[in-house]
Amino acid sequence: AQTVTQSQPEMSVQEAETVTLSCTYDTSESDYYLFWYKQPPSRQMILVIRQEAYKQQNATENRFSVNFQKAAKSFSLKISDSQLGDAAMYFCAYRRLYNNNDMRFGAGTRLTVKP
Amino acid sequence: DTAVSQTPKYLVTQMGNDKSIKCEQNLGHDTMYWYKQDSKKFLKIMFSYNNKELIINETVPNRFSPKSPDKAHLNLHINSLELGDSAVYFCASSQQTLSYEQYFGPGTRLTVT
Repeated sequence: AQTVTQSQPEMSVQEAETVTLSCTYDTSESDYYLFWYKQPPSRQMILVIRQEAYKQQNATENRFSVNFQKAAKSFSLKISDSQLGDAAMYFCAYRRLYNNNDMRFGAGTRLTVKP
Repeated sequence: DTAVSQTPKYLVTQMGNDKSIKCEQNLGHDTMYWYKQDSKKFLKIMFSYNNKELIINETVPNRFSPKSPDKAHLNLHINSLELGDSAVYFCASSQQTLSYEQYFGPGTRLTVT
């Protein structure tokens, strides 16, 4: 079974600085998708970024980028120029390529942004 | 426009009661899901429905029953509520033929007293 591990229960960053959230996963599949979701205090789950495993290029969305290391099964999220609105729980998620139903989430990392 | 909506957003009830949470999506997706998020924020899938067919049931007690009257709705009915059922329940949807993410509703915070 696929598992997703987020080893940092809590992280803190100063406003305008950069922070990296870690995620590792376990799978025997060669093709799959990885996601980072953000859950602010409003509780809404918001997609931050996604990465297809067959793409070598790391995904980027504005201030958010990933470092995808397929061999190491690592998928970290880098947030640049952190803003107060980035404060939230961040969840890493894995999904198999051909089964959209089987999405597995990590335990989450709570990010605090200090002004 | 609300993509995935849930009602109610908050639900407080006593042990032993039966309650339902409704979910609707207007994205035209063919698959819908229910997740449970416990007090430690851990998200776990409970059910998914594709074209009215249950495809996942992750060892959820049979007190929980998903009901899908049509492709746009997946309601969650819970019988004989227990204290341990207190959690936030999220509905989500996706298009199975696409490679992309699941879209989540705003969540329903269920408190059983």
